[in-house]
Amino acid sequence: DQQVKQNSPSLSVQEGRISILNCDYTNSMFDYFLWYKKYPAEGPTFLISISSIKDKNEDGRFTVFLNKSAKHLSLHIVPSQPGDSAVYFCAASIRSNTGKLIFGQGTTLQVKP
Amino acid sequence: NAGVTQTPKFQVLKTGQSMTLQCAQDMNHEYMSWYRQDPGMGLRLIHYSVGAGITDQGEVPNGYNVSRSTTEDFPLRLLSAAPSQTSVYFCASSYSWTDRGDQPQHFGDGTRLSIL
Repeated sequence: DQQVKQNSPSLSVQEGRISILNCDYTNSMFDYFLWYKKYPAEGPTFLISISSIKDKNEDGRFTVFLNKSAKHLSLHIVPSQPGDSAVYFCAASIRSNTGKLIFGQGTTLQVKP
Repeated sequence: NAGVTQTPKFQVLKTGQSMTLQCAQDMNHEYMSWYRQDPGMGLRLIHYSVGAGITDQGEVPNGYNVSRSTTEDFPLRLLSAAPSQTSVYFCASSYSWTDRGDQPQHFGDGTRLSIL
C-alpha cells in the first residue's frame, strides 16, 4: 500500500509559466513533508519542506502548500525555468519515527524554452 | 567538504556473489540511511541508523545487511546477490531530529548495481 502518491508521472510547461506538482498521502500521522529534485545520474537534492503546523512555505520561486484535511500537498514553481527540468519527489515523515522518509513515485517535469 | 560519498558508482555482479556498497559522510551526521530506486517506485528505505552501533530495518530490508561502527561510515552488504536487487542505491545522512528538529536528508550520487 503506497502511503505517498504522485499520480502524474510527467508534466510539461512553458518557460516562464507556473509548474504545479501534486502529491497525496494516506497516513494521517505524517507531520513533516519534503520535496526533492533529482537530475539524471545524481542523487536527490533537498528543495523545500513544510511542517504540518503550517499550510504554506515559500523559498524564492518555490512554494509548497499543505492541505491536511485533503491529505494533499503541492509544489508551485514560478516562474518555471528550463533548468528546473528534473524528476521531483515528494516525501513524508513522522517526526517521532526517527525521520524515516516515505517517498512518492516521482514526477518528471519538462520546462520548454 | 565532500558531503555524502558513495562507492562504487557502477557494479555488475553475478547471481550469488556478495559485495559491499560503501557510504561515507563528513558532516558529522548522526542519522544515515540506504534507499533503493526502481522505475515507477520512487525511493524505498532499506535500512537506517540513528548513530554508531544502532541500526534498524526500513521498508525493504530482506537480502541486505548493515552495520555502523563509526559515525562517518554506513556500508550496505549484499550477502548473496539476486537479480531482483538490480537497482540504483542511494545513501543519505542528516543531523538527528531529536537534537535539532526538522532536518532534510542529504543524498549521495548513487551506486548503479546490475545483477546478472
